[in-house]
Amino acid sequence: GAGVSQTPSNKVTEKGKYVELRCDPISGHTALYWYRQSLGQGPEFLIYFQGTGAADDSGLPNDRFFAVRPEGSVSTLKIQRTERGDSAVYLCASSLSGGPGTEAFFGQGTRLTVV
Amino acid sequence: AQKVTQAQTEISVVEKEDVTLDCVYETRDTTYYLFWYKQPPSGELVFLIRRNSFDEQNEISGRYSWNFQKSTSSFNFTITASQVVDSAVYFCALISSGGGADGLTFGKGTHLIIQP
Repeated sequence: GAGVSQTPSNKVTEKGKYVELRCDPISGHTALYWYRQSLGQGPEFLIYFQGTGAADDSGLPNDRFFAVRPEGSVSTLKIQRTERGDSAVYLCASSLSGGPGTEAFFGQGTRLTVV
Repeated sequence: AQKVTQAQTEISVVEKEDVTLDCVYETRDTTYYLFWYKQPPSGELVFLIRRNSFDEQNEISGRYSWNFQKSTSSFNFTITASQVVDSAVYFCALISSGGGADGLTFGKGTHLIIQP
């Protein structure tokens, strides 16, 4: 399929470990977003990439969270020293050009469980 | 600051009934966009509609219709003749053009259950 792909679909890790979550956007989409969705809540914005650069990282909760998109396509969300409170579904979305009125297409998410 | 409120946590109706999902938003910006997304059990958010703040025309798409009223800061969503396949969590979301965060601000969602 040509949709947004996220891997792994599920990740269980121990508290204190480092994790990487991957997002493959729709081919040709320059804008990429990461969101975090806790149980029973709506998604919360984390970071927005336009091309290779992080245009807005105001949603990252602290410096344990970092994301990269080195070639302007695939993005990796990295979480250091994971905590139980990081457990959530991490959603990735992409859009053709970014901008507030642009439709974003979402992946199915990575469910992260920190034990 | 922006905020989206979906006061209905869960709604349960019998198939073929009409149902309205409420959404109230807050923003200081005059230019903004409102969205509705559907999240089925698979987890993927599915785009339903986008509205900009200058377009208050109601919209109908098949069994779906949306009522945007700036005077009450509401963007309600109605499903007519509901079907079991409409069962999902529905999210209303907002983004401004005014230089705030570049991501959507979502409500907490309304879990819609359509019983056969």
